[in-house]
Amino acid sequence: DAKTTQPTSMDCAEGRAANLPCNHSTISGNEYVYWYRQIHSQGPQYIIHGLKNNETNEMASLIITEDRKSSTLILPHATLRDTAVYYCIVRVDESGGSNYKLTFGKGTLLTVNP
Amino acid sequence: GAVVSQHPSWVICKSGTSVKIECRSLDFQATTMFWYRQFPKQSLMLMATSNEGSKATYEQGVEKDKFLINHASLTLSTLTVTSAHPEDSSFYICSAVTAGGGEQYFGPGTRLTVT
Repeated sequence: DAKTTQPTSMDCAEGRAANLPCNHSTISGNEYVYWYRQIHSQGPQYIIHGLKNNETNEMASLIITEDRKSSTLILPHATLRDTAVYYCIVRVDESGGSNYKLTFGKGTLLTVNP
Repeated sequence: GAVVSQHPSWVICKSGTSVKIECRSLDFQATTMFWYRQFPKQSLMLMATSNEGSKATYEQGVEKDKFLINHASLTLSTLTVTSAHPEDSSFYICSAVTAGGGEQYFGPGTRLTVT
C-alpha cells in the first residue's frame, strides 16, 4: 500500500471547521483513501473513504485532488469530542483477506479547543 | 451499524501465565478479522490476519507460537497471549470486515497488563 504523510498535530477552535491534510503522492489507481480516527484509549472509528470523487457523510467531507496525490478531511463544525488522532490510509479495495489490511501511520492529533 | 466487541476490556495477569482475548462481530458475519497491538503514544501495529476456518497469517516479527489466534466461527476470533511477559503489556485491538468486504470495524480494545 502507498504511504501517507500527515502533520503530527493540529489545533482547531470549537465550532470552526477542521481541515486535516494528507499527502499520498505514490497512490496507485486502484487504491482508495480511508480516514479513521482514534479517541484516546478506544478502538479506531471509520469516518469516510473515497477513490477520486469528493465524498460527504454525516461525519465529514473528503476532498481528493484531481491528481489524487493528496486529500483533505473536513470536519465542518468541530466539537470537543472530535479531539482524536486522525489516520489517513490508502488501501486497495479488492475482496479477499489480506487485501483488507490497513497500515496505520502516526496520524494527526487534532485538538479542539473551547 | 456494525458492532465489534472485545472481552475483557482490561486484564491484569502474572508473568508466565496465558491470557485469552475474545473478539466478536455482534450483528454481522466476518470472514476476516485482524489483531493489532498498540503501545503507549504509538500507532496501531498489525499483528495478524485471521480468516475463518483457516490458519492465521502473522506479520513479520510476530511470534505465532506466542500469540495464538483462533477464528472458529464467522463471529468470533480469539487471541491467546501465552507465557506472558511484562513487555507484552499493551492495548490489543481487533477489527472485522463484513463478509461482502468493505469497511473495517474495530473493537474497543483490551488493555493487558502483565506484572
